[in-house]
Amino acid sequence: DSGVTQTPKHLITATGQRVTLRCSPRSGDLSVYWYQQSLDQGLQFLIQYYNGEERAKGNILERFSAQQFPDLHSELNLSSLELGDSALYFCASSERDTGLEKLFFGSGTQLSVL
Amino acid sequence: QQPVQSPQAVILREGEDAVINCSSSKALYSVHWYRQKHGEAPVFLMILLKGGEQKGHEKISASFNEKKQQSSLYLTASQLSYSGTYFCGTDMYSGGGADGLTFGKGTHLIIQP
Repeated sequence: DSGVTQTPKHLITATGQRVTLRCSPRSGDLSVYWYQQSLDQGLQFLIQYYNGEERAKGNILERFSAQQFPDLHSELNLSSLELGDSALYFCASSERDTGLEKLFFGSGTQLSVL
Repeated sequence: QQPVQSPQAVILREGEDAVINCSSSKALYSVHWYRQKHGEAPVFLMILLKGGEQKGHEKISASFNEKKQQSSLYLTASQLSYSGTYFCGTDMYSGGGADGLTFGKGTHLIIQP
């Protein structure tokens, strides 16, 4: 158990809908990362937050947004969902934001868009 | 920019050695290695800093050549438990904070008895 909690584990929805994925980092970790994993693209970095502020942005679509709240949990919002958004979404956390952090991954949210 | 890993997949017999390579077109500050077993989350293996550092984890070690912007992961005397997908992650530190940890597409390692 990494100590990172992601909910829900599975999400099935229809195209055009909006969903929210939630992540609670390990106790004491200030940094949260979101990744999208699909079969052909591996682990795609989406976005990183550190202590409530956005720190780095990867290949995150404009239809996607995220935030980190004062209690350090984070949410990833996906809107106007398309079939291609079906993937496994991982959240990871680390203690700080130095570029030398060990990331602890949650068990992921499997999103299926039908 | 996503690092490039090679090979895409490796099939070995237990006890054989393997090398997984990771390269980047950009200057690197650090290289990270993770392993993901089927149906599980990625798990940290090691981080290497620029400076040609070589680190080890059980019979798994890695090197980092900053001039060539490459890292290699070495698995010696492979065990069945080494099976999984190995990801390298590269972090291009941009002064104000980490520039995001970007992973390659992964190398699938299958160890057969």
